[in-house]
Amino acid sequence: KQEVTQIPAALSVPEGENLVLNCSFTDSAIYNLQWFRQDPGKGLTSLLLIQSSQREQTSGRLNASLDKSSGRSTLYIAASQPGDSATYLCAFPDRDGQNFVFGPGTRLSVLP
Amino acid sequence: NAGVMQNPRHLVRRRGQEARLRCSPMKGHSHVYWYRQLPEEGLKFMVYLQKENIIDESGMPKERFSAEFPKEGPSILRIQQVVRGDSAAYFCASSPQGQGATEAFFGQGTRLTVV
Repeated sequence: KQEVTQIPAALSVPEGENLVLNCSFTDSAIYNLQWFRQDPGKGLTSLLLIQSSQREQTSGRLNASLDKSSGRSTLYIAASQPGDSATYLCAFPDRDGQNFVFGPGTRLSVLP
Repeated sequence: NAGVMQNPRHLVRRRGQEARLRCSPMKGHSHVYWYRQLPEEGLKFMVYLQKENIIDESGMPKERFSAEFPKEGPSILRIQQVVRGDSAAYFCASSPQGQGATEAFFGQGTRLTVV
């Protein structure tokens, strides 16, 4: 059974800092992983999708990497802004590839 | 192409009433998933459906909960005889193939409050 953890649980940084969010998983036989952002009281916005054959994916100030051998993914946010404040979730398909198992999330606050 | 549409956005029910949550997937998507997010907890898988078929309902409580995805119309998550513990945000996701293979897109959720 796929289990996902995220560290740190919460993070508060001043505006402009570069930061790294970590995600660990137990089953390396994954199809892909997806990073989401969730704003309070809102739905999930897909940020990045990394296919199993890829090692990283970039979109604007965001870069996500995938290391299947170590069971880790990181989300790098460059030059953070107050608008980046949200909860960031990583998710992996279960072994059957039928649905996602979500991490508990990292709650990010970027202070102006 | 509109995203995944869920309605209502907010739903208040008294204990014992029925709650019906609707989800219209993105155009061209035939796979629908329902997740539940309890207050201060992560998202938990409930059920996976394709048109007219329930593929995996392993995450759904055995009693009072049911889901369907008819040939025409939205997917429906039904909760009968709601209790306070059912208060949560319910999210629907859709994908063109199984979530293991492709990117999934989520709706804005329905926030159910049982009073």
